[in-house]
Amino acid sequence: NAGVTQTPKFRILKIGQSMTLQCTQDMNHNYMYWYRQDPGMGLKLIYYSVGAGITDKGEVPNGYNVSRSTTEDFPLRLELAAPSQTSVYFCASSSTGDNEQYFGPGTRLTVT
Amino acid sequence: AQSVTQLDSQVPVFEEAPVELRCNYSSSVSVYLFWYVQYPNQGLQLLLKYLSGSTLVESINGFEAEFNKSQTSFHLRKPSVHISDTAEYFCAVSDNGGSNYKLTFGKGTLLTVNP
Repeated sequence: NAGVTQTPKFRILKIGQSMTLQCTQDMNHNYMYWYRQDPGMGLKLIYYSVGAGITDKGEVPNGYNVSRSTTEDFPLRLELAAPSQTSVYFCASSSTGDNEQYFGPGTRLTVT
Repeated sequence: AQSVTQLDSQVPVFEEAPVELRCNYSSSVSVYLFWYVQYPNQGLQLLLKYLSGSTLVESINGFEAEFNKSQTSFHLRKPSVHISDTAEYFCAVSDNGGSNYKLTFGKGTLLTVNP
């Protein structure tokens, strides 16, 4: 039981490039989330999903897209990367009930 | 809308000293409350949570937090800290009647335990 896995762990992008951050969970959780973490700012919700085929915007969705074709996978797409997207990105999942979220190890992204 | 305020961004303490990390929240509905811990270069791990029942909740490594509804607080305490407790701690709140189970996080408190 691996929990929540994220790839890659690190990535450097040039301005204007695109990439997909991968997130997979093996706990059969319905709910999945993408956050970004910037120093001193806590975690900000980018997008979330309440089940396969259903996604919705969080607090800071601009510049990102998501899809949820399966229960297990919730990739985050960055189109036209900008320096403001330099951050650490965390994926999380939860089941229904008590809202406890399980986090992946994170992806550290630098856009230069 | 909900919000969480962690009153201290950094808390330095000496080993074996007591510590309190403060958290206040605002919400118009009933809430669930959480403390998460993040060790350097790792993801967040749940430390403890309040869902209902006893207002005092404990973790397996000696931390405790008390839900105070009248003061809308959920402060985290430990009577004697260890070097290994050095980490960033995040308070989070969730609407317990909502349908999307979103968490709102505070900005975090960096606890540094010095020898």
